[in-house]
Amino acid sequence: DSGVTQTPKHLITATGQRVTLRCSPRSGDLSVYWYQQSLDQGLQFLIQYYNGEERAKGNILERFSAQQFPDLHSELNLSSLELGDSALYFCASSAAVGYEQYFGPGTRLTVT
Amino acid sequence: LAKTTQPISMDSYEGQEVNITCSHNNIATNDYITWYQQFPSQGPRFIIQGYKTKVTNEVASLFIPADRKSSTLSLPRVSLSDTAVYYCLVVLDSNYQLIWGAGTKLIIKP
Repeated sequence: DSGVTQTPKHLITATGQRVTLRCSPRSGDLSVYWYQQSLDQGLQFLIQYYNGEERAKGNILERFSAQQFPDLHSELNLSSLELGDSALYFCASSAAVGYEQYFGPGTRLTVT
Repeated sequence: LAKTTQPISMDSYEGQEVNITCSHNNIATNDYITWYQQFPSQGPRFIIQGYKTKVTNEVASLFIPADRKSSTLSLPRVSLSDTAVYYCLVVLDSNYQLIWGAGTKLIIKP
C-alpha cells in the first residue's frame, strides 16, 4: 500500500459525459501528479501540482483539467469524453518535485 | 529538448544479471534520473534514483557515466517475479517537466 488513495476504482460512462477522479496523497506529500495509461501503453504525464499550485503540464488535453485543494487532495476533471479517453488514470504523490513518486492504485475509466 | 529512449523489450533467465539502458540527451547537471517498475494493472513502483556515477540499494544499482547521456539500471540475479515493465524518468530541474521513457518490457524465463 503506497498510501495514495484514488476514487473511484472503476468508472463506466458514455461519450460526451463529464467525470471527476479524486486523489488523496500520502500524508506529508505536497506534490501530486496525474497520469494516463491506455491499454498496453506507456505512462503519459498529464499535470503536476505542488502545494496547490500547478508546476508542470504534460500532454493534457484542453478537455481535461485538474486542481489541488488546500487539504492537498486533487481532482482530475475529464469532459466531453471520447472513446479514446478509456484508460487507467494514476495519481502519484511525492514530498517535493523530483523526489520518489508513490502511485495510487488507479482509476479505470471506460467510455462507451 | 530532453528525450528518453529505452529498449522496447528484453529477455533473460533466472539468476542472471540484467542491465537496461536509457538514453537521455540534453539533460542538465541537476536533473534527477529515476527508474520505476510496473506490474500489469498496478501503479509504478520506485526502484532507484541518482544524479551521477553509481548508486546502489537493496534491489538494484544505477550507473550514470560522466557525460550523463545515458543511465543503466542493473538488476542482480533476477527471478521470475522481476518480469515487469521498467521505466526510466528524467525530471528537469529547470521547469519540473517529467520526461518518461516508453518502458522496457522485461521477461524472465526459468
